Amino acid sequence: EDQVTQSPEALRLQEGESSSLNCSYTVSGLRGLFWYRQDPGKGPEFLFTLYSAGEEKEKERLKATLTKKESFLHITAPKPEDSATYLCAVLGSSASKIIFGSGTRLSIRP
Amino acid sequence: DGGITQSPKYLFRKEGQNVTLSCEQNLNHDAMYWYRQDPGQGLRLIYYSQIVNDFQKGDIAEGYSVSREKKESFPLTVTSAQKNPTAFYLCASSITGDYGYTFGSGTRLTVV
Repeated sequence: EDQVTQSPEALRLQEGESSSLNCSYTVSGLRGLFWYRQDPGKGPEFLFTLYSAGEEKEKERLKATLTKKESFLHITAPKPEDSATYLCAVLGSSASKIIFGSGTRLSIRP
Repeated sequence: DGGITQSPKYLFRKEGQNVTLSCEQNLNHDAMYWYRQDPGQGLRLIYYSQIVNDFQKGDIAEGYSVSREKKESFPLTVTSAQKNPTAFYLCASSITGDYGYTFGSGTRLTVV
């Protein structure tokens, strides 16, 4: 059964303090790993798709990386506006739908 | 601009009543999905549809029903059989294949 586990559940950082969010996954043949950002009371916003181990993608202060067992979302010099819940999801080769993790709530203090 | 529209944003329902949540997309996506999100929990799949006139149950389909008569529309009915319907409901769509989802802005349903 495909599974996605995100850690930590919550992370509080000072503005400018870099860190990483983890997404561990178990899937039979990875077709894609997805990162989303969700603000309170809103729908998730697509950030990245990663397809194979070693792949990296960047967007502003965010960088997503992928290995055969996990993905990291690195946030460099975060700002308060980066505060949100970050969701990881995977699509396996035998699946017709994406499986979501429970998310990491990121809070950046000014 | 293309996107997904969910309506209404807030919905209140009395116990014992059925209620229908609207989801419309103009992205020409084949697949559409309904998720439920409770505080502190991840997204749980209710129903999904990959083509018109066909849909499959997700992980928590009991007490819900859907229809897919048009490619653009995938309404969700929360029936009186759903024991704990108060939640945030999200609709999503995708191109069939290895692509991520586009989400709507959600409907918050409260049973009063």
